[in-house]
Amino acid sequence: EVELLESGGGLVQPGGSLRLSCGASGFSFSTYAMSWVRRAPGRGLEWVSGISGSGASTFYADSVKGRFTISRDNSKNTLYLQMNSLGAEDAALYFCAKDIAAAGHPLYFDFWGQGTQVSVSS
Amino acid sequence: EIVMTQSPANLSVSPGERATLSCRASQSVDSSLAWYHQKPGQAPRLLIYGASTRATGIPARFSGSGSGTEFTLAISSLQSEDFAVYYCQQYNSWPQTFGQGTKVEVK
Repeated sequence: EVELLESGGGLVQPGGSLRLSCGASGFSFSTYAMSWVRRAPGRGLEWVSGISGSGASTFYADSVKGRFTISRDNSKNTLYLQMNSLGAEDAALYFCAKDIAAAGHPLYFDFWGQGTQVSVSS
Repeated sequence: EIVMTQSPANLSVSPGERATLSCRASQSVDSSLAWYHQKPGQAPRLLIYGASTRATGIPARFSGSGSGTEFTLAISSLQSEDFAVYYCQQYNSWPQTFGQGTKVEVK
């Protein structure tokens, strides 16, 4: 059974940083691309960032480019999202999601975690 | 970036009735369209991909149709577990984008 478990969310001050993690099990982690998707209060889903199965290729939404860094450790079956210079617009529930493909631009997602909450406030 | 617009924003349906949800793309996405639903406190779940192919384990009461810019998700007879928020997503052009969601609630 595929399981994705996010952690690392919390309350951070504007301008602060957080590192999210997503532990994966139940599938060959290194074979598949992974993404982070968020849902802000009162808004729909927004894709944030993606990474190929090997980790060689990364992709970012314009809204987070230059501030967020996605990475993965295939030896630990773990996906990461380093978030810097956080603002109120980044407050959301962050999901990790398994892509159906190994590489290339993110496509669609056949498994998701339950999310970790990020709050930004002084 | 392609904008996905879902309608209606809220849909009240009685259990056992049929529900029809719409999703419109600002430009053609061919058949590169997925549907998900999400219940409170749960992970989103993939329902449909390729506009009309049910994902593994999805009941036959869910059906997707459309191509180009107009898409529909139909739920033939709503069960209690189907009351949720439904999202469409295009993956024809990068970045892939989601609709704002349709909340299906009990009438």
